[in-house]
Amino acid sequence: NAGVTQTPKFQVLKTGQSMTLQCAQDMNHNSMYWYRQDPGMGLRLIYYSASEGTTDKGEVPNGYNVSRLNKREFSLRLESAAPSQTSVYFCASSDWGLAGGETQYFGPGTRLLVL
Amino acid sequence: SQQGEEDPQALSIQEGENATMNCSYKTSINNLQWYRQNSGRGLVHLILIRSNEREKHSGRLRVTLDTSKKSSSLLITASRAADTASYFCATALTGGGNKLTFGTGTQLKVEL
Repeated sequence: NAGVTQTPKFQVLKTGQSMTLQCAQDMNHNSMYWYRQDPGMGLRLIYYSASEGTTDKGEVPNGYNVSRLNKREFSLRLESAAPSQTSVYFCASSDWGLAGGETQYFGPGTRLLVL
Repeated sequence: SQQGEEDPQALSIQEGENATMNCSYKTSINNLQWYRQNSGRGLVHLILIRSNEREKHSGRLRVTLDTSKKSSSLLITASRAADTASYFCATALTGGGNKLTFGTGTQLKVEL
């Protein structure tokens, strides 16, 4: 049981390049999330998917797109990377609960440097 | 602006001492959660307290919630060097579904 896995672990891009961050979970969770973490800013939600087939914008969606490929996988794409997107990206998953605010399980993160 | 703000931003204590960190938030919540992040790693869930609960315990952790003051505290008793990490509070807003809003974190250093 690997939990939440992310690839790659580390990536360097040049401004304007594109890339896709991959995330997969094996806990049969309905909901998945993408966050970015910057120094002193905590975690900020980029996009989330409440269930397979749905995606919604979070707090900071500009410059990103997502795909919920199936129940297990949720990818984050940067179409034209900018230095402001240098950050650590975390994927998380959770059950979907009627009461809301289910516990989230996080992957190890992807460190992205945009030059 | 951040929903959750932790205080203090950084805390340094000796092994065996207790560590207390606080979280304040702005709007109505369903629950509040605390997570730990070791350097360079993902976040790990510690404890969840619902809006109708006032105190919860888990091992050496004690969490309180005061919804009238919109604040929570996390107490780690008899701290160990292995407790060195960043601690984040996260709030599940009323009507916010399963989304969580994270605070800026408290960096705890436990020295031998």
